[in-house]
Order: sequence, then structure tokens, then C-alpha cells
Amino acid sequence: DAGITQSPRHKVTETGTPVTLRCHQTENHRYMYWYRQDPGHGLRLIHYSYGVKDTDKGEVSDGYSVSRSKTEDFLLTLESATSSQTSVYFCAIRSLGDLGTDTQYFGPGTRLTVL
Amino acid sequence: AQSVAQPEDQVNVAEGNPLTVKCTYSVSGNPYLFWYVQYPNRGLQFLLKYITGDNLVKGSYGFEAEFNKSQTSFHLKKPSALVSDSALYFCAVSADRGSTLGRLYFGRGTQLTVWP
Repeated sequence: DAGITQSPRHKVTETGTPVTLRCHQTENHRYMYWYRQDPGHGLRLIHYSYGVKDTDKGEVSDGYSVSRSKTEDFLLTLESATSSQTSVYFCAIRSLGDLGTDTQYFGPGTRLTVL
Repeated sequence: AQSVAQPEDQVNVAEGNPLTVKCTYSVSGNPYLFWYVQYPNRGLQFLLKYITGDNLVKGSYGFEAEFNKSQTSFHLKKPSALVSDSALYFCAVSADRGSTLGRLYFGRGTQLTVWP
């Protein structure tokens, strides 16, 4: 599964606390993505990275920040968690190559509950 | 803007019958189209994709999808459904150009249930 791990896998936190989710990949992919999955919405892009220290916003970036100081790690931070950020968070990498191999592969997900 | 529609929230079929999960898309430029499957409490697994070439794409677990440019559709099909195919299926689109290059836009998902 493209060597992607996410930590923690489950987290319960309280409103107003900071939370950091970690995505780690072992195959040196340049592009990494953070999505959230909510019923009735499918997956929506939060932020993505196209290299070390190069990041950009997705469609639902408010309340989230990211950092990528190493190729293998992409961190998602909720500075002050709110109940609306209760969701399942997925990290993905983009596998690039010859035409026909541009595909995103996903990690196992982190289930976050904000009380 | 890129978007994907999966018009059916649920699809129910009997084991052994053919199944179809529908997807239509809107994209600026040429589309890259994908199907993913999600089993309960798991991440998304890549099933198949259309980039260019033959309109009928074959993927994992006996699934296939047909790209229809005139109808802007990319329906997922399987000739004979299995109970183990029961899962949540997502269609996604990306564009081959522009500022959103490489970004995936997902449909809301279709829950497939195959009963014995």
C-alpha cells in the first residue's frame, strides 16, 4: 500500500486543544495530500504538498495547517480543534511515472473525535 | 471547475448478477478518472483508472469501467457480483492541465450491497 502509515489511528480530544496528525511514507514520493472524509461528502482535500516546505491549500483548509520538513513526513495540525473537525482523515501520496502511472494511494486513516 | 456526481447513494444486487455503479464528471481539459473502494474501517484502495486510450478499462477483482466522453460518464461494472464486493465505492476525477493538475475530486460515494 505504497508504504504509507498514519499516526495516531484513533484520537479523542476536547474542543480548543491542538492536535497534530502524522503521515509517513517510505518511498520518496514528492506529492502528499491530506483529505477528510465525512458522510455525504466523499473525500475533500484539506492541504497538499509538492515538495519539502512546499504546500498549498485545498478546498477545506480553514482551521488546518500543515508542515513538511522532510520528504517522508507530512503533518496536519488543528490549532484549536472544533467539533466540526470530527472526521476521518486520510493521507495520500501521488505516484508519478510514465503515462499511466499517475495514481494516488491512501493511508489507513485517522479517526478523530472532538468532544 | 472539476466535479464528480455519483447519483446513487446505494446499489443493491444479488450475488451472481451484474452490477453497475454510476459516475458522471465535469472537468476542464482531458479527464483522468479513477475508481476506489473502501471496506469498513479501512483506507481507500485503488481499483482502476482511465488516462487515455481504450475506453474500456479493466481493474482489480474483476471490475471494469467504461469511459464515455459524449456522456461524460465513467460507470463501474462487474459481470457477476460477489458478497465480498459489498463496500463503499468512490469515483474521482483529475484534469490533465491547469492549476488543479494532480488534484483529485471525489464523488460522495455509493454503498454497494451484494446479498447472497
